[in-house]
Amino acid sequence: DQQVKQNSPSLSVQEGRISILNCDYTNSMFDYFLWYKKYPAEGPTFLISISSIKDKNEDGRFTVFLNKSAKHLSLHIVPSQPGDSAVYFCAAFNFGNEKLTFGTGTRLTIIP
Amino acid sequence: NAGVMQNPRHLVRRRGQEARLRCSPMKGHSHVYWYRQLPEEGLKFMVYLQKENIIDESGMPKERFSAEFPKEGPSILRIQQVVRGDSAAYFCASSPFAGNEQFFGPGTRLTVL
Repeated sequence: DQQVKQNSPSLSVQEGRISILNCDYTNSMFDYFLWYKKYPAEGPTFLISISSIKDKNEDGRFTVFLNKSAKHLSLHIVPSQPGDSAVYFCAAFNFGNEKLTFGTGTRLTIIP
Repeated sequence: NAGVMQNPRHLVRRRGQEARLRCSPMKGHSHVYWYRQLPEEGLKFMVYLQKENIIDESGMPKERFSAEFPKEGPSILRIQQVVRGDSAAYFCASSPFAGNEQFFGPGTRLTVL
């Protein structure tokens, strides 16, 4: 039962344009959502998060949007840079059950 | 402040052998989590520990797998009698308290021949 889904396994975006990565979830009990970035042979690196009581959180080039009614969140990267090429994982948890539930990841490739 | 450390980075075992994976959390972090990533899949939760206590092991296979986080020293994930299906990347994460972002180590890549 995949509670967090990333339906696009890969995405290619031109450098300087906007990258939009999507994530859907089924568990309405999730309190907190996170995005992690992962390079090959390294561990995931925390990027940005959002509480379920918010609908937007922004940090520099990265913005996460949450639509609770649709159980959908997205990560926007603008402008996209070559160093953004990596696999991006969406994750969620609820307070009191601290394990992160991850999506399967989206491989983002930024084309120079 | 050193990050989460895992060793070894790569581990090769023959079927039937034991694998021991170590994780040293970030300084000041008392919560440790283990995740497994199979090829072409996302990370799957295995176990959540605090010092000397297993809090949640709902993601651990019922047999051959065990984890500990002693009062002194690193957290250990132990896999007995490894099989080919255990080949995966095993990631450890830590946090200073529950409900906080988890910081990941570089992972241990286990290959079972």
